[in-house]
Amino acid sequence: RKEVEQDPGPFNVPEGATVAFNCTYSNSASQSFFWYRQDCRKEPKLLMSVYSSGNEDGRFTAQLNRASQYISLLIRDSKLSDSATYLCVVILNDYKLSFGAGTTVTVRA
Amino acid sequence: DAGVIQSPRHEVTEMGQEVTLRCKPISGHDYLFWYRQTMMRGLELLIYFNNNVPIDDSGMPEDRFSAKMPNASFSTLKIQPSEPRDSAVYFCASSLPGPSNTEAFFGQGTRLTVV
Repeated sequence: RKEVEQDPGPFNVPEGATVAFNCTYSNSASQSFFWYRQDCRKEPKLLMSVYSSGNEDGRFTAQLNRASQYISLLIRDSKLSDSATYLCVVILNDYKLSFGAGTTVTVRA
Repeated sequence: DAGVIQSPRHEVTEMGQEVTLRCKPISGHDYLFWYRQTMMRGLELLIYFNNNVPIDDSGMPEDRFSAKMPNASFSTLKIQPSEPRDSAVYFCASSLPGPSNTEAFFGQGTRLTVV
């Protein structure tokens, strides 16, 4: 079983819509969680950390559910510029970042 | 800071040739990671270093792959001999230590094609 699994999508949504997707992780001892964003043919970049209490950054909301071992990302009021692949990242206690395969989001005009 | 610098950006080589990928991490970052990305397998961690010492190389596919970090500002990933299935984008990333500082900064990657 992979350490981190994501629905690859693609999620095709119109501008202004809300889109949400999850990521599951296999190791209950995982300590830190992040969402990265990767644009086509570019390197991954940190989008936001995921805290136990949930957190927001503008139109983006991240949630962590330790009991069910998943994290989620919700994007409100989608913009064309939100089109990208969103990578779920999980860290155990050794600072090794484990990436999911990514969820592709396409926002259409 | 210029960020993580990788070279070359693109490499096309023939099967059997040696390939060397280079990385300069962000100054002051203690951790350096080498990742490989393909459509089929996504981002895979190959190896990572802490203070120039290899910590976990369990992701290195086979003996044809080797990585070194002779000093804090330079690392190489070598493939010898290369095979077509090694074709991928290879990313180098660096980060500060500590769970609160584990944002990994990626270089722009090296797109390797082995023909």
